[in-house]
Amino acid sequence: DTGVSQNPRHKITKRGQNVTFRCDPISEHNRLYWYRQTLGQGPEFLTYFQNEAQLEKSRLLSDRFSAERPKGSFSTLEIQRTEQGDSAMYLCASRPDRASNTEAFFGQGTRLTVV
Amino acid sequence: AQSVTQLGSHVSVSEGALVLLRCNYSSSVPPYLFWYVQYPNQGLQLLLKYTSAATLVKGINGFEAEFKKSETSFHLTKPSAHMSDAAEYFCAVSAGGTSYGKLTFGQGTILTVHP
Repeated sequence: DTGVSQNPRHKITKRGQNVTFRCDPISEHNRLYWYRQTLGQGPEFLTYFQNEAQLEKSRLLSDRFSAERPKGSFSTLEIQRTEQGDSAMYLCASRPDRASNTEAFFGQGTRLTVV
Repeated sequence: AQSVTQLGSHVSVSEGALVLLRCNYSSSVPPYLFWYVQYPNQGLQLLLKYTSAATLVKGINGFEAEFKKSETSFHLTKPSAHMSDAAEYFCAVSAGGTSYGKLTFGQGTILTVHP
């Protein structure tokens, strides 16, 4: 499978715990995006990378959230001291950098439930 | 800045009937527009995209959309609904250039298809 891969697919955690999600983009896709989707809403942009550089962060990304893409390949999204409001689907997408009109390809998401 | 409004959070049609899902956008620059479909607990799959070429865009599964600049609309249609079309549909807008992959989504429209 050469699509965008996200792990785990589901995560249940207790409030206050830290969680980390992983995204493996399509090979050779330079740009990688993280989105959050809460129930009944459309996805909201969180952050994106070009290779290993994090170029933009949304105001939604509080200090408890951190994202990395250390070698320009896979990316991780960590949430520290989780809160119930963090419960959502976290979506990752990737696209090539050089093509001007190639859409972003999405992974299947990680559904986080904070209890 | 970009924004998207999807009119109607739920649309219900009979199998074989016309599907019409409405999307209006706001953009300070010439927009790139997309329709994505999402099945339960899945990621987003691209149906079609408008990238400033033909205003009538044909996508997968018999869907099409027409870009109307004067009405700032990009409505999604399908002549004859199929049971397998039941899903949630998202309209999204993006600026071009380096922001091409950063998407702003609408709230989504849940399509129900009755036999």
